[in-house]
Amino acid sequence: DTGVSQDPRHKITKRGQNVTFRCDPISEHNRLYWYRQTLGQGPEFLTYFQNEAQLEKSRLLSDRFSAERPKGSFSTLEIQRTEQGDSAMYLCASSLSGTGNSPLHFGNGTRLTVT
Amino acid sequence: DQQVKQNSPSLSVQEGRISILNCDYTNSMFDYFLWYKKYPAEGPTFLISISSIKDKNEDGRFTVFLNKSAKHLSLHIVPSQPGDSAVYFCAATSQGNLIFGKGTKLSVKP
Repeated sequence: DTGVSQDPRHKITKRGQNVTFRCDPISEHNRLYWYRQTLGQGPEFLTYFQNEAQLEKSRLLSDRFSAERPKGSFSTLEIQRTEQGDSAMYLCASSLSGTGNSPLHFGNGTRLTVT
Repeated sequence: DQQVKQNSPSLSVQEGRISILNCDYTNSMFDYFLWYKKYPAEGPTFLISISSIKDKNEDGRFTVFLNKSAKHLSLHIVPSQPGDSAVYFCAATSQGNLIFGKGTKLSVKP
């Protein structure tokens, strides 16, 4: 399978704990995105990378959230001191930048439940 | 304020008939529009897209229409099949990151 891969698929944690998610994009894609989706809503943009550079961060990304893409390949999203409001599906997507537009290809997400 | 709006949370259609899903946007800088389909417990799957320089794009049973003056786009599925039952998201972009609507749940009845 050469699609976007996310790990873990599900994570249950207690409030106040830290969690980290991993995303492996499609190998030739240089852009990587993180989105969050809650019930009844569409995916909401969090941040994106072009290669290893983090180019944009949404105001949804509070200082408890940090994302990295150290070698321009896989990415991690860490949430510190989790809160119940962080419970959501966290989606990763990748695309190929260049001339013209390119659709984002999504992974199956990590579902976070904060108890 | 929502920049991409899907005002119908759900739509029910008989198998074989046409499904029409609608989407409105407010940002005139958007230049690329996409439709995604999502099954439960899976990520959104890219379906079809259209550039702002076009008004129609067709791919098999799926056609997307863009009306820039009305800031409106629609997805037509003909003929609808039970396997098309899913949540459909409209998305738009001007700089790379996509802005999504809240989705429309399509149910295709056999």
